[in-house]
Amino acid sequence: GAVVSQHPSWVICKSGTSVKIECRSLDFQATTMFWYRQFPKQSLMLMATSNEGSKATYEQGVEKDKFLINHASLTLSTLTVTSAHPEDSSFYICSASDRGLAGELFFGEGSRLTVL
Amino acid sequence: DQQVKQNSPSLSVQEGRISILNCDYTNSMFDYFLWYKKYPAEGPTFLISISSIKDKNEDGRFTVFLNKSAKHLSLHIVPSQPGDSAVYFCAASGNAGNMLTFGGGTRLMVKP
Repeated sequence: GAVVSQHPSWVICKSGTSVKIECRSLDFQATTMFWYRQFPKQSLMLMATSNEGSKATYEQGVEKDKFLINHASLTLSTLTVTSAHPEDSSFYICSASDRGLAGELFFGEGSRLTVL
Repeated sequence: DQQVKQNSPSLSVQEGRISILNCDYTNSMFDYFLWYKKYPAEGPTFLISISSIKDKNEDGRFTVFLNKSAKHLSLHIVPSQPGDSAVYFCAASGNAGNMLTFGGGTRLMVKP
């Protein structure tokens, strides 16, 4: 199946710094990518829908100024956690579809963020 | 309000037996349901799906059953293997295509 890759897999940062997580579709073009967040022992919560060439659509309760999403090309979306705080520590997962909203979703490996 | 619920946070099964994971949903607009398997520190991987026009879909050891009137679906794994030990998420989507709503997950442990 299609491959979606995330980088970095693990990141530890100091409180107040910004962290960028990349999500790449390796063998297909993704017009739409989704970013999820998972707290320990909880479900995956959709944060935002990333649309190539346009602004991301954020879910209710997600601060768009804190979680900056850029989808500059058909194979790359980035999530930047700005001015990170310990409560932002979480597992962030991206997913992408090879056929827009109608296609099967493929998930990245996830990125674990720990903010000290 | 959780639209997709997995009421059992964990399940332990003996190798070779059947594993049954359950999922309930409340949104009648959901018309496509999926099961994902997730290992620690990894992203979910797709397992099996079912459209609302069907009530059963089978793929090898995995079978998903859908009861629309009860808004309930279940995943059966027969026979269960130790390698099946993971967290299983059910997910649902509606008119918005593949924008998924996930359940809370069930941790399956298959004992040798």
